[in-house]
Amino acid sequence: EPEVTQTPSHQVTQMGQEVILRCVPISNHLYFYWYRQILGQKVEFLVSFYNNEISEKSEIFDDQFSVERPDGSNFTLKIRSTKLEDSAMYFCASSERGVGYTFGSGTRLTVV
Amino acid sequence: GIQVEQSPPDLILQEGANSTLRCNFSDSVNNLQWFHQNPWGQLINLFYIPSGTKQNGRLSATTVATERYSLLYISSSQTTDSGVYFCAVEGAGGSYIPTFGRGTSLIVHP
Repeated sequence: EPEVTQTPSHQVTQMGQEVILRCVPISNHLYFYWYRQILGQKVEFLVSFYNNEISEKSEIFDDQFSVERPDGSNFTLKIRSTKLEDSAMYFCASSERGVGYTFGSGTRLTVV
Repeated sequence: GIQVEQSPPDLILQEGANSTLRCNFSDSVNNLQWFHQNPWGQLINLFYIPSGTKQNGRLSATTVATERYSLLYISSSQTTDSGVYFCAVEGAGGSYIPTFGRGTSLIVHP
């Protein structure tokens, strides 16, 4: 069964540093998403991406965040100047539309 | 946006017991999925079920879209079923974004 692949699985970074979380969506999917889950809390929508541009974003997705599809396979989430409260599990997902959403295994980000 | 409520928030079972988890949603939906988040934090897709009934081994799910709820049944529970079960719903309003409920935390004791 096709998978969404996320790397790294765990990243530790110092406060104020930039991090890039990487995702390889399923190859024929057209819609891409990033979600965040702070420990013990609900899974929250950050941003959706379609046709090489952001289609929707939540209030959480402020100027600190950016997304990019640098080539035909990767989809990245960049967090500039990380804060302690950015520590969370970040999930990438993709969808072909109408078939359902496939989530990656997540990247656990720890900001120290 | 669409509201998603899951119940119960917590559930503790003995191995072998059956359980029913519920997901209520506030509007018409295009898509509904059930996920299991395992102890390592991974989200495992269980069912894509915007309507009707599906079964996969000891798990089954039913969505009654007209009454705006979905049920996940776990039969003969095992310790490996422990974790958090999430319902994620995409409303029919055209946003194409799944909204998660707060989940049901399940602990199955041996």
